[in-house]
Amino acid sequence: DQQVKQNSPSLSVQEGRISILNCDYTNSMFDYFLWYKKYPAEGPTFLISISSIKDKNEDGRFTVFLNKSAKHLSLHIVPSQPGDSAVYFCAAITWQMTTGTASKLTFGTGTRLQVTL
Amino acid sequence: ETGVTQSPTHLIKTRGQQVTLRCSSQSGHNTVSWYQQALGQGPQFIFQYYREEENGRGNFPPRFSGLQFPNYSSELNVNALELDDSALYLCASSLYPGPLSSYEQYFGPGTRLTVT
Repeated sequence: DQQVKQNSPSLSVQEGRISILNCDYTNSMFDYFLWYKKYPAEGPTFLISISSIKDKNEDGRFTVFLNKSAKHLSLHIVPSQPGDSAVYFCAAITWQMTTGTASKLTFGTGTRLQVTL
Repeated sequence: ETGVTQSPTHLIKTRGQQVTLRCSSQSGHNTVSWYQQALGQGPQFIFQYYREEENGRGNFPPRFSGLQFPNYSSELNVNALELDDSALYLCASSLYPGPLSSYEQYFGPGTRLTVT
């Protein structure tokens, strides 16, 4: 049961243009969503996050949008740069009220972004 | 600030053997989570350790076990290795309790395990 889905395995965008990476989820209990970027031979690097009570969060060139009714989030990168070429993972988390912890990240399968010159 | 470190970087084992992977959490973090990433897939949650106890477990058999030490470092042990255990094993650290931003987990570079 894939609770977090990234339906586009790859995306190619020209340098300077907007990159839009999409993610859908099925579990309405998710409290928090995160985007990670992964280069080959490295662990995922945290990029940006959004709480389920918000619909937008912006950090420099990166903006994440959340549409709870559609159970959909997207990551916008503007302008795209060649160094943004990597695999991007969408992830979701549920807060455990009894312990005040968030025990697991549920990841999508990733989208490989290639930014061309 | 010291990031998350993992050892070894690569490991080759034979089916049926046992393996121990190690992780040191980012300084100031008290929680460690382990993930398995198979080729072409997203990381899959194995388990998390908080205050030296298991705090949540994914859909992995009991031959996957772990430990957390008082200095918050952690070990992942896998017994009776199977060919399907070949994957990248990632460790991530975080800080609980804390603000909402403590949900953000910071990953190490991973250990590439090959089972032949």
